[in-house]
Amino acid sequence: SQTIHQWPATLVQPVGSPLSLECTVEGTSNPNLYWYRQAAGRGLQLLFYSVGIGQISSEVPQNLSASRPQDRQFILSSKKLLLSDSGFYLCAWSVQGKNTEAFFGQGTRLTVV
Amino acid sequence: AQSVTQLDSHVSVSEGTPVLLRCNYSSSYSPSLFWYVQHPNKGLQLLLKYTSAATLVKGINGFEAEFKKSETSFHLTKPSAHMSDAAEYFCVVGYSGGYQKVTFGTGTKLQVIP
Repeated sequence: SQTIHQWPATLVQPVGSPLSLECTVEGTSNPNLYWYRQAAGRGLQLLFYSVGIGQISSEVPQNLSASRPQDRQFILSSKKLLLSDSGFYLCAWSVQGKNTEAFFGQGTRLTVV
Repeated sequence: AQSVTQLDSHVSVSEGTPVLLRCNYSSSYSPSLFWYVQHPNKGLQLLLKYTSAATLVKGINGFEAEFKKSETSFHLTKPSAHMSDAAEYFCVVGYSGGYQKVTFGTGTKLQVIP
């Protein structure tokens, strides 16, 4: 069966520090991968998605970047965190194709202080 | 273009009573529709999905939803609420363009009163 791992679960970082959140998927090949940010009362906002190694699409201009160095690994990064980067970050994957659902990781609560 | 509206940001029910979480959508295409549940500080779990097969979709934990094209609705129901159903629920609309094209609703927080 497929599983998705996302870490860390919580993170407190000072303003201006770098960020690296990692997500890995097991039990499937060539998944679509996604990073979302969730703000209270605003649903989920898609930040990045990837349909293959090295292929990253950015949905929202921001202080963050994403990379996909391996087929089942997706990394969310920042060189210098801002207070506004605080939030709940979710990684997800889906099978490539139409009408498919996504499967979510457990999320990372990031607090920038 | 597509959009989704969850009509209630908060719903409160007593344990053992029915649950109704409302969702309306708009889509230029034949939509796919999903309901997810999220418990505090957890990821989202798929409850059920509609992808142009049967209009009444049964999901996990006793939930079901009915696709009504004439009303552009996909309301989530459960006959009897359980304390463990307290969570936030998201309605999602998409189409065959892939999951990166879906649109999330803003969520409905369900409170279950003992």
